[in-house]
Amino acid sequence: DIQMTQSPSSLSASVGDRVTITCRASQGISNYLAWYQQKPGQVPKLLIYAASTLQSGVPSRFSGSGSGTDFTLTISSLQPEDVATYYCQKYNSAPWTFGQGTKVEIK
Amino acid sequence: EVQLVESGGGLVKPGGSLRLSCAASGFTFSTYSMNWVRQAPGKGLEWVSSISTSSSYIYYADSVKGRFTISRDNAKNSLYLQMNSLRAEDTAVYYCARARFPTTVTSPKDYWGQGTLVTVSS
Repeated sequence: DIQMTQSPSSLSASVGDRVTITCRASQGISNYLAWYQQKPGQVPKLLIYAASTLQSGVPSRFSGSGSGTDFTLTISSLQPEDVATYYCQKYNSAPWTFGQGTKVEIK
Repeated sequence: EVQLVESGGGLVKPGGSLRLSCAASGFTFSTYSMNWVRQAPGKGLEWVSSISTSSSYIYYADSVKGRFTISRDNAKNSLYLQMNSLRAEDTAVYYCARARFPTTVTSPKDYWGQGTLVTVSS
């Protein structure tokens, strides 16, 4: 099975900072990669799919890139409401594995 | 408005069984594949199972294969997860989630229910 590895596992940044989270697949998955945001006490929310397509309603400060095995989620200007744990997930084939998550906090 | 409402969680002893339900509304249920995803307390997300629109294609995580059974009733707009031989490590919030794209299981999940807590403990 393909493993999904996120880094870092947590980060602390200041409001306005550019934040980058990486996700690496153990084998190529083309662009079948989604990013989710889960705020404390809330349900996961789909942010990006097809590696770089923003889900409707998601602020444009979020962006995704990558293909094959290496992917990134970027928050161009971190806002207080972005405090959350972010997960990547492959969806090219079963099992639809999630990364272990990256917790983002405000410094 | 798309709504997914899970029910059926609770406290069960190791080795016991539980059946989760997910009532869907606000979309044409029969045209979307559906999924169960779980989250153990303080842990990350774990995909559990997926089912295609007509139940022709069903997938399970290795951790639940042979113990859990996913099913759906398109006439009742409902998704189910029959959980048998439950273990302590199955303790989690179980979410019902819809595929983003109609007709295919190869899809991210765009709508999630609020989840139902399953606790396996003696």
